[in-house]
Amino acid sequence: DADVTQTPRNRITKTGKRIMLECSQTKGHDRMYWYRQDPGLGLRLIYYSFDVKDINKGEISDGYSVSRQAQAKFSLSLESAIPNQTALYFCATQETSGTEAFFGQGTRLTVV
Amino acid sequence: GDSVTQMEGPVTLSEEAFLTINCTYTATGYPSLFWYVQYPGEGLQLLLKATKADDKGSNKGFEATYRKETTSFHLEKGSVQVSDSAVYFCALSDRTGGFKTIFGAGTRLFVKA
Repeated sequence: DADVTQTPRNRITKTGKRIMLECSQTKGHDRMYWYRQDPGLGLRLIYYSFDVKDINKGEISDGYSVSRQAQAKFSLSLESAIPNQTALYFCATQETSGTEAFFGQGTRLTVV
Repeated sequence: GDSVTQMEGPVTLSEEAFLTINCTYTATGYPSLFWYVQYPGEGLQLLLKATKADDKGSNKGFEATYRKETTSFHLEKGSVQVSDSAVYFCALSDRTGGFKTIFGAGTRLFVKA
């Protein structure tokens, strides 16, 4: 089983719908991240959490929200999806500062 | 703020050619530097890292040296294979940025047989 699991792997949704992307990890890491990948733009940070009670905005948080339900779970929500949120979304975990990040396999979201 | 700039792709090489992918960074502190690789349909995985100046990270024939004087961390491989075709991301993690990992835009590599 993967250490970092994202669900769903693929999703097509309509404009205006609310959608939640889920991430769970078995690495026991406190730090969790949500990134968005777009062609030519690399990975951009949406939100991050350094422990269960900590939530921080990244560089592109507008239109998104997150919930850290437990150390192992970090969900990303799009309250009202719009087409320019069509992208590949990645969840990642990190043990401590300056160490390697571990990624899930990604969720491909299409908003039509 | 912290940032990473890497060469635009795609880079297309023939098998056994020499590879260089340039990466430079901006950081106010002393970051750790990373190269991640993304194979088709997969998430990113760590390729190599270096945590202080003059350190050389290496893995699977790839190397990169942390150059503080030029704020660079260029990725090199002496002889690429078709299986190296992937997207490569340079990244940093810095105390000033709260140790978030900041990524470059990625460079796609195609290796032809």
